[in-house]
Amino acid sequence: QSVLTQPPSVSGAPGQRVTISCTGSSSNIGAGYDVHWYQQLPGTAPKLLIYSNNNRPSGVPDRFSGSKSGTSASLAITGLQAGDEADYYCQSYDSNLNAVAFGGGTKLTVL
Amino acid sequence: QVQLVQSGSELKKPGASVKVSCKASGYTFTTYSVNWLRQAPGQGLEWMGWINTNTGDPTYAQDFTGRFVFSLDTSVSTAYLHFSSLKTEDTAVYYCARGEINWLDPWGQGTLVTVSS
Repeated sequence: QSVLTQPPSVSGAPGQRVTISCTGSSSNIGAGYDVHWYQQLPGTAPKLLIYSNNNRPSGVPDRFSGSKSGTSASLAITGLQAGDEADYYCQSYDSNLNAVAFGGGTKLTVL
Repeated sequence: QVQLVQSGSELKKPGASVKVSCKASGYTFTTYSVNWLRQAPGQGLEWMGWINTNTGDPTYAQDFTGRFVFSLDTSVSTAYLHFSSLKTEDTAVYYCARGEINWLDPWGQGTLVTVSS
């Protein structure tokens, strides 16, 4: 049981927009801790996609954006491409556990 | 460029021990903590804990106390994950990743540890 809750899967056609939600609680996202997002392409290590809620590392296309509100956060991907098929994870910090916390991951399928 | 390079895959028998290494380059090793994470086959990411590369102090997540030990050799900018009394359930890919309480970046390429009789 993950501390942060993500939908197991989302899908969209090429060119469309999809969003992935990440729901936490008052001891993590709601406590003000930042949310970060990772993309894990098949057979590879996770890669930082969004940091501190809505910031893109150098090299990440602006098709990817993040937001945070209350006890939840979202990752939006516009202009879907076949190469975006991957697992996406949200991450924050939980003050009750004194631990880094991950969502269970969301598998994105491009139809 | 900043990177973490991990040691190669391991095949171990139940009850054995294993040591995974994570060599950093491209930055001053002692200015960022190194985190360890586990990903079981087909499963999500689990944070195992981190080690402060300046003080050597480790912090272990609740589910990773007892059999798991984080260590350092700062002379070669390398962090180590050692775990013992291996069980088949320890079969997973183990990652190291640079970071403090916030985001983790970069990640090592991962080390597959297979525990099988």
